[in-house]
Amino acid sequence: DVKVTQSSRYLVKRTGEKVFLECVQDMDHENMFWYRQDPGLGLRLIYFSYDVKMKEKGDIPEGYSVSREKKERFSLILESASTNQTSMYLCASSSHSSGRDTDTQYFGPGTRLTVL
Amino acid sequence: AQTVTQSQPEMSVQEAETVTLSCTYDTSENNYYLFWYKQPPSRQMILVIRQEAYKQQNATENRFSVNFQKAAKSFSLKISDSQLGDTAMYFCAFPRAGSYQLTFGKGTKLSVIP
Repeated sequence: DVKVTQSSRYLVKRTGEKVFLECVQDMDHENMFWYRQDPGLGLRLIYFSYDVKMKEKGDIPEGYSVSREKKERFSLILESASTNQTSMYLCASSSHSSGRDTDTQYFGPGTRLTVL
Repeated sequence: AQTVTQSQPEMSVQEAETVTLSCTYDTSENNYYLFWYKQPPSRQMILVIRQEAYKQQNATENRFSVNFQKAAKSFSLKISDSQLGDTAMYFCAFPRAGSYQLTFGKGTKLSVIP
């Protein structure tokens, strides 16, 4: 079974703090994704990575950055947290390979971040 | 632009009954996959079922099945014999053209009533 883990389930930070959210997958997937989930807005893609050290902006990258130094790990960084970044953050991974699993994303449990 | 529309923000169903969640999408692609994901309250998002667009046969997974109408760009999820554990948010998704990304609908909140 694919396993995607996230460093924290709940996190409380103060405005202006630098925040790191980490995601680790154990299936050797090439692709990794960071989403934020807000009521009524569904899932919105922040950034994704298709290989080590490679990244692409998603739909809402402003205020975020990412790092992928190892294939299994993808970090989301909030350089200076703001209250409007209070949200649920979901990490996901998927494989490049064709076949039954093509395009299927596997999700972590999520991190609920509150910025005060 | 590719879009996914789930027109029912909330639905409810009696336990043991059948319910259908709708999803429509817009794409210029010809060969692609479509997905339904489930997110129970305070729990992890999991894949429910996937459909390959070039296959005419509708996918089924136990009590879950899809009604895929390619020409109409419709991809609905049918849940038979609904159980309390089916209470969740359900998201429809499909890949963006030329990308590994998925486009998600805004979700349907399903409540199964005892």
